[in-house]
Amino acid sequence: NAGVTQTPKFQVLKTGQSMTLQCAQDMNHNSMYWYRQDPGMGLRLIYYSASEGTTDKGEVPNGYNVSRLNKREFSLRLESAAPSQTSVYFCASSGHLWGQETQYFGPGTRLLVL
Amino acid sequence: ILNVEQSPQSLHVQEGDSTNFTCSFPSSNFYALHWYRWETAKSPEALFVMTLNGDEKKKGRISATLNTKEGYSYLYIKGSQPEDSATYLCAKREAGGGADGLTFGKGTHLIIQP
Repeated sequence: NAGVTQTPKFQVLKTGQSMTLQCAQDMNHNSMYWYRQDPGMGLRLIYYSASEGTTDKGEVPNGYNVSRLNKREFSLRLESAAPSQTSVYFCASSGHLWGQETQYFGPGTRLLVL
Repeated sequence: ILNVEQSPQSLHVQEGDSTNFTCSFPSSNFYALHWYRWETAKSPEALFVMTLNGDEKKKGRISATLNTKEGYSYLYIKGSQPEDSATYLCAKREAGGGADGLTFGKGTHLIIQP
């Protein structure tokens, strides 16, 4: 099991450029999430998907779109990148551990918007 | 308490000493409290998931307690080792929601000094 994988690991964009961050999980989890991590802040939820075909906004959705392509894949798109979107992006999926639901995180994508 | 708060923000501990730190959260609408360990350049890994008031969980030298009535959880590390150096995150899941993610604290950054 690879767990949760993310591509790319690192990306530099110019303001206004677009890009898609990819995430895939091989644990057959229904729920998937996108978070961003900024210095001095906790992980903040951007979007989540409770199941294939559904997506919902989290705490900080502005400037992002998502697609739950199938049960395995959940992508995050920046249509017109802004410097404020410089961050580390984590994808996660949730499944059961020790009888409780918990989240499994990918390795992160470090994004720099110039 | 409106948000999930962790204290202290950072902590330096001598190898061999024991330590503890705090996660405070709104007690209303509580479902579960998660603790994660986040090592530099890696992704957060689940340590504990606790749901019941008075819960105590233990994993090796690390243990956690939960008070849902007053809204706090303590994480204890006994006999700190250099490999314990990491950021420890706590996160609250609220009741009644679906797969709407976790609300994270900003973390306690623990450095174990040899």
